[in-house]
Order: sequence, then structure tokens, then C-alpha cells
Amino acid sequence: AQSVAQPEDQVNVAEGNPLTVKCTYSVSGNPYLFWYVQYPNRGLQFLLKYITGDNLVKGSYGFEAEFNKSQTSFHLKKPSALVSDSALYFCAVKSGGYNKLIFGAGTRLAVHP
Amino acid sequence: DTAVSQTPKYLVTQMGNDKSIKCEQNLGHDTMYWYKQDSKKFLKIMFSYNNKELIINETVPNRFSPKSPDKAHLNLHINSLELGDSAVYFCASSLGTGRAINEKLFFGSGTQLSVL
Repeated sequence: AQSVAQPEDQVNVAEGNPLTVKCTYSVSGNPYLFWYVQYPNRGLQFLLKYITGDNLVKGSYGFEAEFNKSQTSFHLKKPSALVSDSALYFCAVKSGGYNKLIFGAGTRLAVHP
Repeated sequence: DTAVSQTPKYLVTQMGNDKSIKCEQNLGHDTMYWYKQDSKKFLKIMFSYNNKELIINETVPNRFSPKSPDKAHLNLHINSLELGDSAVYFCASSLGTGRAINEKLFFGSGTQLSVL
């Protein structure tokens, strides 16, 4: 079965510091990995995806993610956090022949001034 | 000019009632979805339609019935509402058939359903 784990319920970071939101996955076959962000009272927004190629993927709002096949991880990173980055972040993996995204439980990112 | 719009935004109702949530997308996408987000923020797909055809039907009580009158609309009707149905329901859409591995989803803002 395909699954995604986000081991941290919440990540706290000071503004200006680098941030990492962790994600590990379990799939049979090639993984297709995504990060989405949910701001309060809003729907999810696509941030970035890994399909194939370069292990470092760059996305919206200065975020990037590093695919590590040996560690089955796809951690989300940003060199310098902003207070406006505070939101709920979801890692997701593709499953099956259709666009069936399996989401992780989400990690709340809190960036403090 | 909202891309994926859902109505209502909030829905408070009594147990046993029947209610509907509407979703419309103006992106010209072929595939639409319903996701349920529970109180712990866990997201799970419920249904998916491609060009009015049901393509994903997860293990959902048959009290939930999606209806797609055209590819720009996907409504969710819920019969005999139960306390456990309380959640945020998100509509989403994607370009194409839903088979492509790199398709991204565009989400609506959600409908918060509270069953009393």
C-alpha cells in the first residue's frame, strides 16, 4: 500500500532561519511526490512536485524539496523562513493509474518574528 | 474569477437531514474531485469524475452521492446526515483525465459541515 508519513505535527522556526518539514513515503514502484500548503480557511495550494530527474526540486514562494531515494524521503525546505509561511503543509504521493493523491497527516509550520 | 468555488462555505444542520454542497470550476479542467478533511486535518479522497464519468469511488457510505451535470460542476449530496459527517469538504479539479502523474490539483476553499 502507498503511504506518506509526516513525523512532526508542528515545526517552530524563527523568522529568517532555515526551515525543514519532513516527509517519508512508502510506494511500490516509482514515487511521484508533491507538497501542498493550506493557509487558514483556504483550500490547498500546490507548491512543488517530484516526478523524475534532479533530486532537488524548486517550487513556489522560495520553497524547495529534496528527493532522497535511499531514505525514501522528500523533505520540504526553505533557506530563510517568513512569518507569512506559517500554514499547514501536506506531503502527498501518487497512487494508482488515476490522479489519486495519498496525503500525509500534515505539519503545522509556525514562524515566529 | 475564483477558479474552484464551493457553496456554501459553512453548513450547520441537524442529524438526519439531507444536504448538498455545490462545486464549480472555471478552469476548463476535465476532472473534478471531492476530498474530506477531518478534525485532525487528515485529507482523504472520496470521489473523482472525469468528464461526468465516475472514475474514483472510495469506500464512502452510500449516503454520499456525487453528481456531475457537466464537467465544470461536481455536487455532493449527503442523505441522513450523521454526527461523524462533520468535517471540511474540499472540491478540487485537474486538467486532463486524471491519469497523468504530474497533474496538480486546484482546490476550492472548502465547506465546513457541522452536524448537530
